[in-house]
Amino acid sequence: SQQGEEDPQALSIQEGENATMNCSYKTSINNLQWYRQNSGRGLVHLILIRSNEREKHSGRLRVTLDTSKKSSSLLITASRAADTASYFCAIGGADGLTFGKGTHLIIQP
Amino acid sequence: DSGVTQTPKHLITATGQRVTLRCSPRSGDLSVYWYQQSLDQGLQFLIQYYNGEERAKGNILERFSAQQFPDLHSELNLSSLELGDSALYFCASSPRTGWREQYFGPGTRLTVT
Repeated sequence: SQQGEEDPQALSIQEGENATMNCSYKTSINNLQWYRQNSGRGLVHLILIRSNEREKHSGRLRVTLDTSKKSSSLLITASRAADTASYFCAIGGADGLTFGKGTHLIIQP
Repeated sequence: DSGVTQTPKHLITATGQRVTLRCSPRSGDLSVYWYQQSLDQGLQFLIQYYNGEERAKGNILERFSAQQFPDLHSELNLSSLELGDSALYFCASSPRTGWREQYFGPGTRLTVT
């Protein structure tokens, strides 16, 4: 399965700190995407990185992709209370778009 | 607001029953995807339609079926419901086919009692 696996499962940090979460996967990919989900609500697309890209930025988000290690990381800088959510990586490949179980991020005020 | 709408928001029904979930994609989007999210299974892709035709199938049970209508809205039919079907059901849309960014609706929470 191409399902990504996020690590850690849960992360609690102070407001203003940076949050890093990782995603590992097993097979080749076309792209890797990160989504955010606030409790019980729909997922929101954050960023897409193609397999031939190594790094991408969007506002306070930085995503890296290492295809040799089959891993990606999402860095959220200067975290805010509103960043509290679950973050999912999704693998775009031959089997469609498959999601990991997510990292639950809590930002403490 | 993603522009994807789903109805109803909540649904409570009994085992053995049949329900229909409805999704309207963003204006202009031709692809509709259905997902099931539960605590134990996570987010599972069920099925994709593109411009009225089934395009890809994931972990969709035989008791479940879907269709996309000429106006591009989609319905997911769940029959012979079991307790384990209780979950959040999401619809997502995208402009084309292919596994790029998708725009998710708010979901339908199904509770089977």
